[in-house]
Amino acid sequence: GIQVEQSPPDLILQEGANSTLRCNFSDSVNNLQWFHQNPWGQLINLFYIPSGTKQNGRLSATTVATERYSLLYISSSQTTDSGVYFCAVEPRTLNDYKLSFGAGTTVTVRA
Amino acid sequence: EPEVTQTPSHQVTQMGQEVILRCVPISNHLYFYWYRQILGQKVEFLVSFYNNEISEKSEIFDDQFSVERPDGSNFTLKIRSTKLEDSAMYFCASSVASGANVLTFGAGSRLTVL
Repeated sequence: GIQVEQSPPDLILQEGANSTLRCNFSDSVNNLQWFHQNPWGQLINLFYIPSGTKQNGRLSATTVATERYSLLYISSSQTTDSGVYFCAVEPRTLNDYKLSFGAGTTVTVRA
Repeated sequence: EPEVTQTPSHQVTQMGQEVILRCVPISNHLYFYWYRQILGQKVEFLVSFYNNEISEKSEIFDDQFSVERPDGSNFTLKIRSTKLEDSAMYFCASSVASGANVLTFGAGSRLTVL
């Protein structure tokens, strides 16, 4: 199946800092979503971004489908940004419609 | 914004007991999913469901698991005889269609098997 690798595995930030999280995937994709898992375990959908660039407040994401990677940018980080960020992809394979998740990047923002 | 609702949020059960986790997908969605996350690990696909039947399942989804859409709104995951290793967060998700569509996840049901 498709492989999804996220880096770095852990990230510690001072409040106000900017950061970039990376997601590499091994095959062409129909769907790519970024999620934030908060301390209560809830998966919050951040972006649906199989290609291109999107922005939502202090967060933005870029997917370069031809090079099989996606980046999530966090600007002016806040303590509420802490949690685990997951990238999940759906391969462009006939009849394979499930999302495969990466191992996540654990972000800790310190006040 | 429409959301996927899951109940219970947390359930504690004894090994060997049956558990039913419930989900109410977004009303105009046609595809439903269950995923599982063991503590500290990645989120794993269990099963997808469309038109009242399973469309795909993972090797994790063995005979102790079953899914059902008993009425027009609920989507359930049943674990017949729970094991310690079934302790995990179970997420329900739904989408309008299959392929290249946003999956919306519920808040999860945390299952603890003692």
